[in-house]
Amino acid sequence: EIVLTQSPATLSLSPGERATLSCRASQSVSRYLAWYQQKPGQTPRLLIHDASNRATGIPARFSGSGSGTDFTLTISSLEPEDFAVYYCQQRSNWPLTFGGGTKVEIK
Amino acid sequence: EVQLVESGGGLVKPGGSLRLSCVASGLTFSSNGMNWVRQAPGKGLEWVSSISSGSSYIRYADSVKGRFIISRDNAKNSLYLQMNSLRAEDTAVYSCVRDLTSSWPDAFDIWGQGTMVTVSS
Repeated sequence: EIVLTQSPATLSLSPGERATLSCRASQSVSRYLAWYQQKPGQTPRLLIHDASNRATGIPARFSGSGSGTDFTLTISSLEPEDFAVYYCQQRSNWPLTFGGGTKVEIK
Repeated sequence: EVQLVESGGGLVKPGGSLRLSCVASGLTFSSNGMNWVRQAPGKGLEWVSSISSGSSYIRYADSVKGRFIISRDNAKNSLYLQMNSLRAEDTAVYSCVRDLTSSWPDAFDIWGQGTMVTVSS
């Protein structure tokens, strides 16, 4: 099973700041990595697929990078609505796995 | 409106069974893989099972293999999860999720609101 480790667990930032979230895989997942955003009481929303492709309707301030085992989700300038939990997920190997999540909170 | 609507959750005793259903509307269903993903209260996301568009390929998480059965009826735009031998650790919100494209597996682009399953005596 591919283990995805997200860091940090919590990121405390102010609106307008840049957020950098990390996802590390226990073995290569090529570029088969996605990022999701989940707000309290809501279902997850797909942000990025295949490491760097923004999903439909996702603002340009969200960007993804990486390949192999190391991936990054960057939010260039945090908006109030961006404070949420972010999960990475791989589809390279069965079983499909999610990371444990990074909570982006208001500082 | 694009939506996936789950039903069938509830309170069940350990060892019991439930059948979850998910109906899709306003979206392409028959061409895409479908999945069940669960989230225990206050916890992260856990993939449960996937089924390809024509039901030829099916996968399960080890935690549910041999107890859960995924199926779909493309004529009814519906996805199902038969859950047997339920355990306390199966307690979670179960969401029906569509694959982004016809590739299998793919990222998860449309999520239902979920149905709560509680396993307790």
